[in-house]
Amino acid sequence: NAGVTQTPKFQVLKTGQSMTLQCAQDMNHEYMSWYRQDPGMGLRLIHYSVGAGITDQGEVPNGYNVSRSTTEDFPLRLLSAAPSQTSVYFCASSYSGDTGNTIYFGEGSWLTVV
Amino acid sequence: AQKVTQAQTEISVVEKEDVTLDCVYETRDTTYYLFWYKQPPSGELVFLIRRNSFDEQNEISGRYSWNFQKSTSSFNFTITASQVVDSAVYFCALSERDNFNKFYFGSGTKLNVKP
Repeated sequence: NAGVTQTPKFQVLKTGQSMTLQCAQDMNHEYMSWYRQDPGMGLRLIHYSVGAGITDQGEVPNGYNVSRSTTEDFPLRLLSAAPSQTSVYFCASSYSGDTGNTIYFGEGSWLTVV
Repeated sequence: AQKVTQAQTEISVVEKEDVTLDCVYETRDTTYYLFWYKQPPSGELVFLIRRNSFDEQNEISGRYSWNFQKSTSSFNFTITASQVVDSAVYFCALSERDNFNKFYFGSGTKLNVKP
């Protein structure tokens, strides 16, 4: 009963370093997405995917890269970390059923860029 | 354009008081879904409710109740007889049927319940 699993939970990076936040879901959902949460701004969409091999940009995509090679996995890459990317990151998977849209969130990843 | 506004940044109440969290939304879609999430200090997002745009019935779940009014584009959340464990940040969110992989969140309301 894992749902959405994201790793790592905490990470400290130096400016300019690269890293990948991992996200996996076991619910066979086609749709996955990444959000970042900053104080006073709620959650904002970074990138999303509507299926394996298909990705698109959200509201705040700059500085991030994604790929979707399988239905289960949707990693988020920071190519050259900047202090402005210090945030809490949430991975999500979602589906649209007969009763409406539903989204499941991972537990969050706290990233600090120094 | 889609937008969710939670005008109340922070609210403080004393235990057992009732408190209402406001949510106002904007959308052009005729079919959409509204959500409330709770984020306790531990940080995870806890799903509270989903409401479809075609169902304006109010809902009650224990001490929680939700008032959905399409005429004012509002989806307010009331906690009756608040408890210290209700202290958290609460987010309202919107999803449109034809673009359901995108969720639009309000900025959140931090609720402090004091003993």
